[in-house]
Amino acid sequence: GDSVTQMEGPVTLSEEAFLTINCTYTATGYPSLFWYVQYPGEGLQLLLKATKADDKGSNKGFEATYRKETTSFHLEKGSVQVSDSAVYFCARMGSNYKLTFGKGTLLTVNP
Amino acid sequence: GAGVSQTPSNKVTEKGKYVELRCDPISGHTALYWYRQSLGQGPEFLIYFQGTGAADDSGLPNDRFFAVRPEGSVSTLKIQRTERGDSAVYLCASSLSGTSVYNEQFFGPGTRLTVL
Repeated sequence: GDSVTQMEGPVTLSEEAFLTINCTYTATGYPSLFWYVQYPGEGLQLLLKATKADDKGSNKGFEATYRKETTSFHLEKGSVQVSDSAVYFCARMGSNYKLTFGKGTLLTVNP
Repeated sequence: GAGVSQTPSNKVTEKGKYVELRCDPISGHTALYWYRQSLGQGPEFLIYFQGTGAADDSGLPNDRFFAVRPEGSVSTLKIQRTERGDSAVYLCASSLSGTSVYNEQFFGPGTRLTVL
């Protein structure tokens, strides 16, 4: 079935460090891909998305590129801040419009 | 504006009891989704409504779980004869329409269900 595999955490970085969180997905059909973020005490929020191959989603300094050849959608940020500390979820949406999530990656950024 | 709201925020019940979890979607959103998030896992799809009808209930784990959306707005997830394995955070999401990947799903804060 459809699935998403993302890098297990936790990930701990210092402020201004470079971030990569790996994500791969099953390539059944033509899925759309998403990164959601859950800040402490808050609900899930959409961070960015890409709907077709080679699209790049970006928001708040985060980027991810839809790579069909490697079935990947890795999340990157050049310089993280303490306020980026959260749990990040990679997700795919197929033709049935329901989201399939990865297990989540806890990111902690220290000052 | 108001986002997706869910009540109660926390629910503690005993094994074998019946529970109802409520979701108020964003006004005007025709699509509504229920997900379940167990500890250390990502959310898992349960059921999706388009309007009043369940368009896809393939994620409901068994017949103890049932959901309704009688007027196409508020939805209630009902769990009969609760088991300890039902303990999780139940998330509700809504979107403008369920028929486009361009319509973002907005999530509520969730209801944390604990079955003792």
